[in-house]
Amino acid sequence: GNSVTQMEGPVTLSEEAFLTINCTYTATGYPSLFWYVQYPGEGLQLLLKATKADDKGSNKGFEATYRKETTSFHLEKGSVQVSDSAVYFCALSGTGGGNKLTFGTGTQLKVEL
Amino acid sequence: NAGVMQNPRHLVRRRGQEARLRCSPMKGHSHVYWYRQLPEEGLKFMVYLQKENIIDESGMPKERFSAEFPKEGPSILRIQQVVRGDSAAYFCASSPQGIDTEAFFGQGTRLTVV
Repeated sequence: GNSVTQMEGPVTLSEEAFLTINCTYTATGYPSLFWYVQYPGEGLQLLLKATKADDKGSNKGFEATYRKETTSFHLEKGSVQVSDSAVYFCALSGTGGGNKLTFGTGTQLKVEL
Repeated sequence: NAGVMQNPRHLVRRRGQEARLRCSPMKGHSHVYWYRQLPEEGLKFMVYLQKENIIDESGMPKERFSAEFPKEGPSILRIQQVVRGDSAAYFCASSPQGIDTEAFFGQGTRLTVV
């Protein structure tokens, strides 16, 4: 079945540092890939997505590239801010799209001044 | 346009009681999904409903759990005779259509069974 593995947290960075959160997946066919973010006290929000191999999703300075050869979708940001502190979830949807998502366990990011 | 509303935000139940979790989708959304997040785990799909229909319940435990999405009113996730292992965060998401459209998540209900 489908599964998502992402790096464990918490990840603690200084403001303006470079961020990478690793995500790898196992799936049949060609899933769509997503990053969701959960700010304290709020629900999950879609951060970015990619629907086919070599697509790059980007939003708010974050980006991730769908790498079929390494089954990865790593999240990166060149310069993090304190306001980026949140929990980040990598997820995939089954082939054919839809909203039945398989999530990773989430990675907590803490950004300090 | 209000987002997906879940209530209560926190729910405490004693073992053997019933838990009712409510989800009001965004206006205009007719598709609802429920996910459960156990401690130290990712969100796991439970059930997908459209108005008055269960489309996919492959993630629902076979016993004690049920879900509905009536023509009028919120979607309800019901857990009968709760046990400590049911303690988790339950998230609801809604979308205007079922396929290839973004799902919007609520803030979740944190259920604690004592």
